[in-house]
Amino acid sequence: DAGITQSPRHKVTETGTPVTLRCHQTENHRYMYWYRQDPGHGLRLIHYSYGVKDTDKGEVSDGYSVSRSKTEDFLLTLESATSSQTSVYFCAISESGGNEKLFFGSGTQLSVL
Amino acid sequence: SQQGEEDPQALSIQEGENATMNCSYKTSINNLQWYRQNSGRGLVHLILIRSNEREKHSGRLRVTLDTSKKSSSLLITASRAADTASYFCATVLSGGYQKVTFGTGTKLQVIP
Repeated sequence: DAGITQSPRHKVTETGTPVTLRCHQTENHRYMYWYRQDPGHGLRLIHYSYGVKDTDKGEVSDGYSVSRSKTEDFLLTLESATSSQTSVYFCAISESGGNEKLFFGSGTQLSVL
Repeated sequence: SQQGEEDPQALSIQEGENATMNCSYKTSINNLQWYRQNSGRGLVHLILIRSNEREKHSGRLRVTLDTSKKSSSLLITASRAADTASYFCATVLSGGYQKVTFGTGTKLQVIP
């Protein structure tokens, strides 16, 4: 299995609070992605990174920000959590972006009450 | 709406039968990938087919790509109970090789 760790695995928070999810990789892959998975929507891309300090928006980036200060860590922050952000969040990594396969973490179940 | 849409949304078959899932997309692609997700787990890559390829095989998996129809199909032959999972197609747009966007998935149930 690719070395990807997502933390926390589960989190319950209240509306309006900031939340940060962490994705840590030991593969030294250049590309990292954050997706959210909701019933009926499959996986939707939130943000992705193509190098340290290089990030771009995906399909559903509103309300989310990301940071990548070193190769191995990609942080996803919900600036002010809302109930609509209750979801399962997956991190993925790739050596060469979409040219090759993605490896996925185990996911973070986030509930915003 | 999303780039990829799988059809059917759900499929139930008997063990030993073949399962076919389809994926349609909207704009020109660089490649198309198929992934499997077991309940509550992360996605696992199955196969990648590039835009200049028409068919690829991997074990019991066969993927076809028809760029003129903007569609792909995943065939699982001689299905097993362990194939029960959700299957997703993912597309990488031409010129946008960094973004990987997923469809809504097909939920496959293989009955022993």
